[in-house]
Amino acid sequence: AQTVTQSQPEMSVQEAETVTLSCTYDTSESDYYLFWYKQPPSRQMILVIRQEAYKQQNATENRFSVNFQKAAKSFSLKISDSQLGDAAMYFCAYRGGGADGLTFGKGTHLIIQP
Amino acid sequence: GAVVSQHPSRVICKSGTSVKIECRSLDFQATTMFWYRQFPKQSLMLMATSNEGSKATYEQGVEKDKFLINHASLTLSTLTVTSAHPEDSSFYICSARDIRTGRSIYFGEGSWLTVV
Repeated sequence: AQTVTQSQPEMSVQEAETVTLSCTYDTSESDYYLFWYKQPPSRQMILVIRQEAYKQQNATENRFSVNFQKAAKSFSLKISDSQLGDAAMYFCAYRGGGADGLTFGKGTHLIIQP
Repeated sequence: GAVVSQHPSRVICKSGTSVKIECRSLDFQATTMFWYRQFPKQSLMLMATSNEGSKATYEQGVEKDKFLINHASLTLSTLTVTSAHPEDSSFYICSARDIRTGRSIYFGEGSWLTVV
């Protein structure tokens, strides 16, 4: 079974600074997808970024980028120029190539200090 | 963007009764929908995969007779919690896969269930 590990229960960063959230995963599949989701207090799941395992290039979405290390099974999220609105729970998630549901990590609570 | 609607957003029911939660894809068709459960301050746990026109596939440890899932159309899946107990109180959230792309997955707003 696939597992996703987020080792940082909570992270704090000053507004406008950069923060990196870590995620590692374990799988025996070669074809899979990785995601970072943001969950604000409203509980709505918001897709931040996705990465296809077959792509070597790291995905980027504006201030959000990932460092995907396939051999190390690592998938960290970097948030640049942190904003107060970035404060939320962040979940790393895995989906197999067979179109299964998502396996989530335990989440990292990101606090933005003004 | 694509919208997935869940109803009700909050529900309180008495122990021993059943409660139904709906998950609708409003502007796309979804052959596959997923149901998750999230306890307070915890992660989302996949409960089951709902396929239109066929039986749902449940994850290990999820009681299929307690959590009845029906996916009768390409835009609607329902989760019925039968004979609810206080320990079933949780946040239930669904997601739907867009049939056109197969890649895009959209989450509903979630439903808070409190069993008293």
